[in-house]
Amino acid sequence: DAGITQSPRYKITETGRQVTLMCHQTWSHSYMFWYRQDLGHGLRLIYYSAAADITDKGEVPDGYVVSRSKTENFPLTLESATRSQTSVYFCASSSDRVQPQHFGDGTRLSIL
Amino acid sequence: GESVGLHLPTLSVQEGDNSIINCAYSNSASDYFIWYKQESGKGPQFIIDIRSNMDKRQGQRVTVLLNKTVKHLSLQIAATQPGDSAVYFCAESRNFNKFYFGSGTKLNVKP
Repeated sequence: DAGITQSPRYKITETGRQVTLMCHQTWSHSYMFWYRQDLGHGLRLIYYSAAADITDKGEVPDGYVVSRSKTENFPLTLESATRSQTSVYFCASSSDRVQPQHFGDGTRLSIL
Repeated sequence: GESVGLHLPTLSVQEGDNSIINCAYSNSASDYFIWYKQESGKGPQFIIDIRSNMDKRQGQRVTVLLNKTVKHLSLQIAATQPGDSAVYFCAESRNFNKFYFGSGTKLNVKP
């Protein structure tokens, strides 16, 4: 069944470590997004991509790196994790920027 | 950033009643709005959207109303069911660029 999957679902790591969150979609959607969700802040956009090899910053990009070498994958990397990056991370995709986004089930990341 | 907020953080309704969830936005240039439903442990799920050239749009058991004069958006759920229990988010964008989400309203449906 087509969809958007995130891995891992849960991750615990230590400050200073590098961690990569994976996102894969089977719809061949052009647009992909990364959000973080924190209590009291709703969803905040970290990075987005309009197509393979095209990425752009969102509202809270500091401390994160993304790449999009293939249309279906959009990994998010925390190069040196900090406690403030403890959050639930959601990946989303859409066929066009005027279409609603479809979300994965999230990765719950804890940084000790 | 943009400001999208909700009037009521928690709403409790009786099964079978109608629910109304409200959302205020601050940017009068916003032209596209979406309502999402999020169940525990899952990602947001699209419910319904509306563009600024409309003031009402209906789906299955759901209606979204947009009042541009007071910058207010509402989601009406008819005959609320236990499966409707979730957190509901509104999101807005301008020119279909970045989306800004509210902090959510939790809907509790009492049997």
